[in-house]
Amino acid sequence: AQTVTQSQPEMSVQEAETVTLSCTYDTSESDYYLFWYKQPPSRQMILVIRQEAYKQQNATENRFSVNFQKAAKSFSLKISDSQLGDAAMYFCAISFRGAQKLVFGQGTRLTINP
Amino acid sequence: ETGVTQSPTHLIKTRGQQVTLRCSSQSGHNTVSWYQQALGQGPQFIFQYYREEENGRGNFPPRFSGLQFPNYSSELNVNALELDDSALYLCASSSTSGGRDTQYFGPGTRLTVL
Repeated sequence: AQTVTQSQPEMSVQEAETVTLSCTYDTSESDYYLFWYKQPPSRQMILVIRQEAYKQQNATENRFSVNFQKAAKSFSLKISDSQLGDAAMYFCAISFRGAQKLVFGQGTRLTINP
Repeated sequence: ETGVTQSPTHLIKTRGQQVTLRCSSQSGHNTVSWYQQALGQGPQFIFQYYREEENGRGNFPPRFSGLQFPNYSSELNVNALELDDSALYLCASSSTSGGRDTQYFGPGTRLTVL
């Protein structure tokens, strides 16, 4: 069975600073994808960033970047220059080529302090 | 490009009743997945539909059923509602041309069972 663990239930950061959210996962598969989704109070799950396991280069999307450590099965999200609009629940998730489902972690609630 | 839409936004039912939730997939997407998100938890995979057939199922009882229509929209039906069915129900769509690995979510339907 595949599992995703987010060990930080809550995080807070000052506006304009940098914050890193942690995620570890467990799988015996070799071909998989990792995701970070953001869920603001509006409830809609929004894709933040995607990483393919076969790619060694870490994915980046503007202020969002990941640190993907395949051997350690770690996939952390770094948010630079934090903005008030970044406040949300952040979920780490994994899926597999040809498979049907996303497996999610329990989430990290991120608060941005002005 | 039209995103994933869901209806209704909120729904209140009583125990034992039946409910139908609806989802329209994002333009160009042919696969729909459904998730249940209990309060304070990460989403849990219910099932996925592709080519109007169930294409994978999570650990949910048979009273959770679904349909996919030729236009790729989908319904989630839940019979004999229980109090524990109270949750946010999320629909996500994806495309086989993209390997179905990246799912895009709708805004969800909040179901309350009294």
